[in-house]
Amino acid sequence: GQQLNQSPQSMFIQEGEDVSMNCTSSSIFNTWLWYKQDPGEGPVLLIALYKAGELTSNGRLTAQFGITRKDSFLNISASIPSDVGIYFCAGRSGAGSYQLTFGKGTKLSVIP
Amino acid sequence: EAQVTQNPRYLITVTGKKLTVTCSQNMNHEYMSWYRQDPGLGLRQIYYSMNVEVTDKGDVPEGYKVSRKEKRNFPLILESPSPNQTSLYFCAVSGGAGNQPQHFGDGTRLSIL
Repeated sequence: GQQLNQSPQSMFIQEGEDVSMNCTSSSIFNTWLWYKQDPGEGPVLLIALYKAGELTSNGRLTAQFGITRKDSFLNISASIPSDVGIYFCAGRSGAGSYQLTFGKGTKLSVIP
Repeated sequence: EAQVTQNPRYLITVTGKKLTVTCSQNMNHEYMSWYRQDPGLGLRQIYYSMNVEVTDKGDVPEGYKVSRKEKRNFPLILESPSPNQTSLYFCAVSGGAGNQPQHFGDGTRLSIL
């Protein structure tokens, strides 16, 4: 089946630093989604990408849909303590398909 | 306000005692899905439903049942829970004929002793 490789698995950064994480796939996706999960809560959608090459921002967050359609990255600029959590990428391969494939997540820790 | 509501949020029970985790949505979305989340394994899909009376197995359906008798509800049933079903469970919904992202509930933490 389809697989998503998300990296890094975890990262510790100093408050104020920029963060970058990415996902790569063995197959083509037509949608990429980035979610954040806070402790004790469900994943919350951060950014949705629908076209190859698309670059979308949401505040300090920026995500891009790779040109090959097999990868995506998420950048967080000037990290703050509330950025702590687990970030998941998810991809959808079929047009009109509801099914998502999830990465295993990147656990972000921010040191004040 | 769009909501995906799961109940209970936490449950500790014993092996073999049937339990049901409910999921309801107020968005009139067609698609609903159940996932379990375990350390190091990420989110794994248990069952999903494309619409009323239409359900399909996900990646890890063994030991679970679901039903979709009405659009807003999608309960997850564990007929005879076992300790390996101790996990964090999420319900997710999506609309727009597959063009919209999935939105998740707040989760149900099950502990099977």
